[in-house]
Amino acid sequence: GENVEQHPSTLSVQEGDSAVIKCTYSDSASNYFPWYKQELGKRPQLIIDIRSNVGEKKDQRIAVTLNKTAKHFSLHITETQPEDSAVYFCAATPISGGYNKLIFGAGTRLAVHP
Amino acid sequence: ETGVTQSPTHLIKTRGQQVTLRCSSQSGHNTVSWYQQALGQGPQFIFQYYREEENGRGNFPPRFSGLQFPNYSSELNVNALELDDSALYLCASSLRTGIQETQYFGPGTRLLVL
Repeated sequence: GENVEQHPSTLSVQEGDSAVIKCTYSDSASNYFPWYKQELGKRPQLIIDIRSNVGEKKDQRIAVTLNKTAKHFSLHITETQPEDSAVYFCAATPISGGYNKLIFGAGTRLAVHP
Repeated sequence: ETGVTQSPTHLIKTRGQQVTLRCSSQSGHNTVSWYQQALGQGPQFIFQYYREEENGRGNFPPRFSGLQFPNYSSELNVNALELDDSALYLCASSLRTGIQETQYFGPGTRLLVL
């Protein structure tokens, strides 16, 4: 069935270090991979996304890479800051029935220590 | 912040009762998806509405139902509430364009079933 695995579940880094979160998806027909940041008690906010015809995308300190052959995609945050502390979710959108649904990973709790 | 709003913000019900949650989509969006997020987990897809019809459903029983109105706002109804229905319910709106569209989340309704 459709599944997205996300690792690690928790990640603790020092301010200024890089953070990497990895996801694996099961449905090879998936072609859209967004990343959401969710702060405590708040809505998931889209921070970056990538489509299957692109291998890498960057937006300032955030980058996402996609390996369709291996069905892996990763989020890279450089020069981390305390305000990056949140739960990050990866998601994949399988094509089924002609509609778009997001299959989420279980989340990574990132803590950035000053 | 997205233009997606939800009401109410919090709700307490007892087992067996019924609940209706509401979502107003972002201006210009024609598709609404509903997700259930249990504590410490990623959002789980419930269903999606497009042109006032349900066009996709996740692994949720029929007591979860919904509506979409001509102005694209939406309701989620849950009958015969169970303790396990306690969760954050998120709606997400998007614009169907024929390719994978970005979903923008509302702030959620936190439901507690006692």
